[in-house]
Amino acid sequence: GAVVSQHPSWVICKSGTSVKIECRSLDFQATTMFWYRQFPKQSLMLMATSNEGSKATYEQGVEKDKFLINHASLTLSTLTVTSAHPEDSSFYICSASGVSYNEQFFGPGTRLTVL
Amino acid sequence: KQEVTQIPAALSVPEGENLVLNCSFTDSAIYNLQWFRQDPGKGLTSLLLIQSSQREQTSGRLNASLDKSSGRSTLYIAASQPGDSATYLCAVRPTSGYNKLIFGAGTRLAVHP
Repeated sequence: GAVVSQHPSWVICKSGTSVKIECRSLDFQATTMFWYRQFPKQSLMLMATSNEGSKATYEQGVEKDKFLINHASLTLSTLTVTSAHPEDSSFYICSASGVSYNEQFFGPGTRLTVL
Repeated sequence: KQEVTQIPAALSVPEGENLVLNCSFTDSAIYNLQWFRQDPGKGLTSLLLIQSSQREQTSGRLNASLDKSSGRSTLYIAASQPGDSATYLCAVRPTSGYNKLIFGAGTRLAVHP
């Protein structure tokens, strides 16, 4: 299957700082990328969907000004957590799908800890 | 609103047992259903994807069935091994909402020697 990478795999930051997480499709063009959030022992919750070159579509209850998503190219999407607080600590996973694919391919996830 | 439920939430079995994990969904309007495996602190590994027109898919010791009309899927694991220990997630792709996946909460499986 197709390969999706995330960077960094983990990050620790101080409260009030901003953190950027990258999601890359390594061997295919990702026309659509998805960002999920997962709390301990809970399932994945979709945060937003982004199509290359367009604004992201956020799920209900997700603050678009806090979680900035950019999908500027067919291989890269970024999620920026602005003014992070301890309650933003979570596991963030991205996935990607392309024109030729009927499924999403998931990245390995990024563990964010806000002190 | 589509909801996905997985039963049981956790399962602990001795090595060698055959297992059945259950997934149910409330809206039968789906394109496909997918089973994933997630190891602690890791991303998702796709195990099986069943299209809405299919009844089952098999890969090695894994077999997944789909009964779309009743909103149910099962994942059968034959001859379980300690390496099967992980969380198993079920997800459906509704026909509405481009390529979205709705996940269940997962079944945490522990297979002990």
